[in-house]
Amino acid sequence: DTGVSQNPRHKITKRGQNVTFRCDPISEHNRLYWYRQTLGQGPEFLTYFQNEAQLEKSRLLSDRFSAERPKGSFSTLEIQRTEQGDSAMYLCASTPGDRVGNIQYFGAGTRLSVL
Amino acid sequence: TQLLEQSPQFLSIQEGENLTVYCNSSSVFSSLQWYRQEPGEGPVLLVTVVTGGEVKKLKRLTFQFGDARKDSSLHITAAQPGDTGLYLCAGDEGDTGGFKTIFGAGTRLFVKA
Repeated sequence: DTGVSQNPRHKITKRGQNVTFRCDPISEHNRLYWYRQTLGQGPEFLTYFQNEAQLEKSRLLSDRFSAERPKGSFSTLEIQRTEQGDSAMYLCASTPGDRVGNIQYFGAGTRLSVL
Repeated sequence: TQLLEQSPQFLSIQEGENLTVYCNSSSVFSSLQWYRQEPGEGPVLLVTVVTGGEVKKLKRLTFQFGDARKDSSLHITAAQPGDTGLYLCAGDEGDTGGFKTIFGAGTRLFVKA
């Protein structure tokens, strides 16, 4: 297993367009997280899944954002009607969920630029 | 909402110097993690601390979890240019009922050769 994989690595889009990002977690990791990170800041929690169930969503996740994790494997994050303020690095992380300390393994992220 | 405050925000030092980075909160966390992140990459875990008062060492890095599990520190001895990066602390709500992880804003370290 090569770790958490995110695609695409970079996405440039025009304001108003929809975009979708994919995250493939480490096999058998049952918990998956999405974060957003802007320049000079730490990752901001967006949402997380326990298997296929979405257990918590941040208030940062407006109605334009939706995340899915069908069958508890890969996950997608969709942003509809993108705005310039959506420009950020979107990070995905997975964890086995069975160890004390909630150690998360991160992907390299998808950098979104909204023009 | 639980918050983690990191200080300093930015640190520029000469190779060989020692430094300490702090992570503070008014809330109790079931565990704290320290990550390092390089430009264009995701954070990479350095250590996780779980028990109040716990001290962990990773080569030249020493991590401490406060007795009350509200704060943590990272001390680097004899810093090297390879230590340059963004150091992030993260707290896990854990036994409060969820597994939402809160990150601090990070300390950006630059070690000059």
